[in-house]
Amino acid sequence: KNEVEQSPQNLTAQEGEFITINCSYSVGISALHWLQQHPGGGIVSLFMLSSGKKKHGRLIATINIQEKHSSLHITASHPRDSAVYICAVIHRPLLSNTGNQFYFGTGTSLTVIP
Amino acid sequence: DAGVIQSPRHEVTEMGQEVTLRCKPISGHNSLFWYRQTMMRGLELLIYFNNNVPIDDSGMPEDRFSAKMPNASFSTLKIQPSEPRDSAVYFCASSYPGTDPTYEQYFGPGTRLTVT
Repeated sequence: KNEVEQSPQNLTAQEGEFITINCSYSVGISALHWLQQHPGGGIVSLFMLSSGKKKHGRLIATINIQEKHSSLHITASHPRDSAVYICAVIHRPLLSNTGNQFYFGTGTSLTVIP
Repeated sequence: DAGVIQSPRHEVTEMGQEVTLRCKPISGHNSLFWYRQTMMRGLELLIYFNNNVPIDDSGMPEDRFSAKMPNASFSTLKIQPSEPRDSAVYFCASSYPGTDPTYEQYFGPGTRLTVT
C-alpha cells in the first residue's frame, strides 16, 4: 500500500486549460511538499504547506488535513508547465527519538500542447 | 547564489568499485538531504542531516551506502562496493532554517550514476 497516491498518473491538456493534480495520503503529516521535475531532470520545490492554501503566480496549492488530500492547480496552462509533478508528505512519528519520515507519490506527468 | 552544487554530474563505473558523490549546500542552509530516483521506485529519501548531524538514515538501502557531512558546506554519499542496481539519479537538497525539515528544499542538479 502506498502512503501517497497521486492522480492522474498522466495528463495531457491544451494550452490555456485549468489543470488539477490530486494527492491523497494515509499518514498523519506535518507538511506536504509539491515538487516539479522538468524534462531535463531538475527538481524545483513549488510549495510546502501544512494547512490552507498557497498561491504563486499561476500555481495554487491547497490542503485539507481532515480529508488527507491536497490539490495542485495550474491556471492558464502553458507548454512550459509540461513536467512531472510530485507530491511528498512529511510524517512525524510519535516516538520523539526517530526522525521524520518522507513519503513520495509516483508523480503526475503533465503535457501541455500548444 | 550558485544553488546546491553536486559533483560529478555523471558517473559510470564498474560493479564492485567505490563511488563517491559530493554535495555543497546553499550557504547558510543547515539541513541537507540525499535522495535517489529510479524509474521503478521513484524518488526516495536516503538520509538527512541537521547541523551536520545525521537525523534519519532509515532510507539508506544497506551497509554499502554511507553518508557524511564533515562541515556545513560539504557532504558525501559513498557506495562501496557498487552494484548495477545502484544505478539511479542521486539528488542532494538543502533547506533553512532550523531543525524542522518542513521548510522548502532547494535541489541540486543530480548525479546520474550508472554501474555496469
